[in-house]
Amino acid sequence: EVQLVESGGGLAQPGGSLRLSCAASGLTFSNYWMSWVRQAPGKGLEWVANINQNGSERYYVDSLKGRFTISRDNAKNLVYLQMNSLRVEDTAVYYCSGGLGFDFWGQGRLVTVSS
Amino acid sequence: QSVLTQPPSASGTPGQRVTISCSGGTSNIGTNYVFWYQQFPGTAPRLLIFDNHQRPSGVHDRFSGSKSGTSASLAISGLRSEDEAHYYCAAWDDILSGWTFGGGTTLTVL
Repeated sequence: EVQLVESGGGLAQPGGSLRLSCAASGLTFSNYWMSWVRQAPGKGLEWVANINQNGSERYYVDSLKGRFTISRDNAKNLVYLQMNSLRVEDTAVYYCSGGLGFDFWGQGRLVTVSS
Repeated sequence: QSVLTQPPSASGTPGQRVTISCSGGTSNIGTNYVFWYQQFPGTAPRLLIFDNHQRPSGVHDRFSGSKSGTSASLAISGLRSEDEAHYYCAAWDDILSGWTFGGGTTLTVL
């Protein structure tokens, strides 16, 4: 059974930084694109970023370029999202997802940006 | 505002067939595969349809997807109360070089 488990996140002040991690199991991690998708309270899904199997290709939603960085460690079956210069509007549940078409999803991790 | 347009709500009675539309453009639906997700409140989304009309294992055949030109549809037949959820379409956009989701449709079973 595929499992994706997010960790990290929590509360940050505007302008601060946080890092999310996602641990994958039950799949050959290095074979899969990995993504982060977020959902603001009461809102729809918004794709944040994705990374290809060996980390050589990374794509970001335009509005977040320069502030967020996706990376992965295939030896540890981990994918990360480094979030810098956080804004109140970044408050959301952040989901880790595996597969080119978001085949698998983690349970989500709440990130709250507030002073 | 989403690049992909979905109706905010849809409804039907048990046993009915309901369709949810997803309208896009040539750079997304017109060129790339469409995916559909189901999400219950407080839980993670679940992949329902991939590559326009394919179902992952474990998804009931009451769910079907189709695509024509720059629009796609999700059909749910034999509607059940447990189908009440939010439904999202998604596609890669060649101009944005990124994924785009529809705004979501809330399905109510009357």
